[in-house]
Parts: sequence; structure tokens; C-alpha cells
Amino acid sequence: AQTVTQSQPEMSVQEAETVTLSCTYDTSESDYYLFWYKQPPSRQMILVIRQEAYKQQNATENRFSVNFQKAAKSFSLKISDSQLGDAAMYFCAYRPGANSKLTFGKGITLSVRP
Amino acid sequence: SAVISQKPSRDICQRGTSLTIQCQVDSQVTMMFWYRQQPGQSLTLIATANQGSEATYESGFVIDKFPISRPNLTFSTLTVSNMSPEDSSIYLCSVDRFQSDEQFFGPGTRLTVL
Repeated sequence: AQTVTQSQPEMSVQEAETVTLSCTYDTSESDYYLFWYKQPPSRQMILVIRQEAYKQQNATENRFSVNFQKAAKSFSLKISDSQLGDAAMYFCAYRPGANSKLTFGKGITLSVRP
Repeated sequence: SAVISQKPSRDICQRGTSLTIQCQVDSQVTMMFWYRQQPGQSLTLIATANQGSEATYESGFVIDKFPISRPNLTFSTLTVSNMSPEDSSIYLCSVDRFQSDEQFFGPGTRLTVL
């Protein structure tokens, strides 16, 4: 069974600084998708970034980028130039393909210090 | 991305009663997913709802407790039956973007059972 592990329950970052959120996963599949979701206090789940396992190039979306290490089954999220609005719960998620379920990690609470 | 609405946004219910949560999407989708997020926890898939067939439930979730309807390609309901305080959670529906592996979430329904 696939599992997603986020071992850090909380992190804090100074505004304008960079922070990296860690995620590891376990799967026997060779093709799959990885995601980072953000959940602010409003509880709306927002897709931040996605990575296709067969692509070696790390995904980037503006201030958000990932470090995808397929052999190590690691998928970390880097947030550059942190902003107060980045404060939220962040969930790492895995799915083997479209129309399949998402498996989520436990999440990490990110706080941003002004 | 699809526009997804849920009703109600929140509710407070008495033990032993049932609540039906509605999920409406602005475009036709093949599969709709229902997740539960217990307080301070991650998301867990309850079931997958396909139009025209029975929902597929995950381990630990049963149809008698969480009956699901999927009458058409834009709408689904989840009923939480015979509620207990342990059912207090956020319930979220989600759909895949058309021909994509990206999954988008509704705003969630916050349920409190007294």
C-alpha cells in the first residue's frame, strides 16, 4: 500500500525567507503523481504544485518549487520569499494516476513570522 | 479548474440524527470523491462516486453509515447517518480536472455533532 510521510508537524519561517517542507512516500509503482496542497484556516484545499514521476525536471510554480528525488522517494516543497499569506497547513499527496484516490500525508503547519 | 460548491457549509447536529451534504460541480465529471478530515488530522477518502453505479467505499467506511447518491454528472450527496460526536469532521468533495490527474476540492462542510 502507498504511504505518505510528513515527519515535521510544524515549521516556522521569517517573512521573505525560504523554507523547505519535507515529504517521503512509499510505492511500488513506476509512474505516479505527487502533489502539495495548501489548507489555510478557511479550510479550502488549494493545489499548490504537482509533479509527474516520469519527468526528471522539478516542477516550479512562481515562488513554489519541488525537489523530487525518485530513487529516494522524496518530494520536498520549497517556498521562496515567504509571505504572511503562506501560513497554512501543507499536505503532501500521492496518486498512481487519474481517477484514483489521493493518499495524503499528515500535514505540516507552517507559520510565517512578520 | 472546476468550480465546486457544497451545502451546507457548516452544521451543528444532535446525536442520532442524519445530515445530507450536497456537492455541485459546474461541469460534467466522471468521478467524484468524498473525504473526511477529522479535527487536526489529514484527509481520508470515504468513497468514490460514479454516475450510474454504486459508490466504492474505502476500508473502514460502509454504505449504511455513509450512503452516497450520484444522480448525474454534476451532482452528488453524502449522508452521515445516525451521527455520534466522533463524526464531527470536515467533509470535502473533490473532482478531477477534465482529462487531468489534478484533483480539486470543494470548500468543505464543517459538521459538529453534540
